[in-house]
Amino acid sequence: QSVLTQPPSASGTPGQRVTISCSGTSSNVGSNAVNWYQQLPGTAPKLLIYSNNQRPSGVPDRFSGSKSGTSASLAISGLQSEDEADYYCAAWDDSLNAWVFGGGTKLTVL
Amino acid sequence: EVQLVESGGGLAQPGGSLRLSCTASGFSFSNYAMSWVRQAPGKGLEWVSGISGSSSSIYQADAVKGRFTISRDNSKNTLYLQMSSLRVEDTAIYYCAKHYVVVVAARFDYWGQGALVTVSS
Repeated sequence: QSVLTQPPSASGTPGQRVTISCSGTSSNVGSNAVNWYQQLPGTAPKLLIYSNNQRPSGVPDRFSGSKSGTSASLAISGLQSEDEADYYCAAWDDSLNAWVFGGGTKLTVL
Repeated sequence: EVQLVESGGGLAQPGGSLRLSCTASGFSFSNYAMSWVRQAPGKGLEWVSGISGSSSSIYQADAVKGRFTISRDNSKNTLYLQMSSLRVEDTAIYYCAKHYVVVVAARFDYWGQGALVTVSS
């Protein structure tokens, strides 16, 4: 059971917009920045969104993040086949003094 | 270019020990916190342990407290994870991850390719 809650799966057709949610508590998402990681099949995770809504250099602006209270979301617009991957949210937890992850969302491009 | 290369993975028996290493290059190692994050086969990411740039702050997940020890040698640009009293449920790919700044609470910005640890009799 992961500390942060994500839907196990999401899907969309090319060109569509999909969103992935991440729910936490006041000690993690509610009080610290949320980061999102993309893990393509057979590869290491890669930073996709940091500080709730910032994109690292090289990440397309099709990817965006937001946070409100104890929930965060990742949105992918103009869905492409290469976006098929697992997506994880993560935040520092002040009560646990530990990093906590969501269980991951497997995105399928139909 | 930031590079993180894990080594030391392999097969261990339940109750046994193993030491992982992560050799870093492309950045000033001592100025950044580092962590180990694992992923069991077919499962999600799980943070294991983190250490600040100067080793003054160390954090661990409850699942490994008392069994795993994280350390670093800044003169060798190397991060370690000493794993003992291994359990079958410790079987996973172990990733070395660099933090954005010197503190463990900062985001992970680079990851290594991972080292597979299999615990089985």
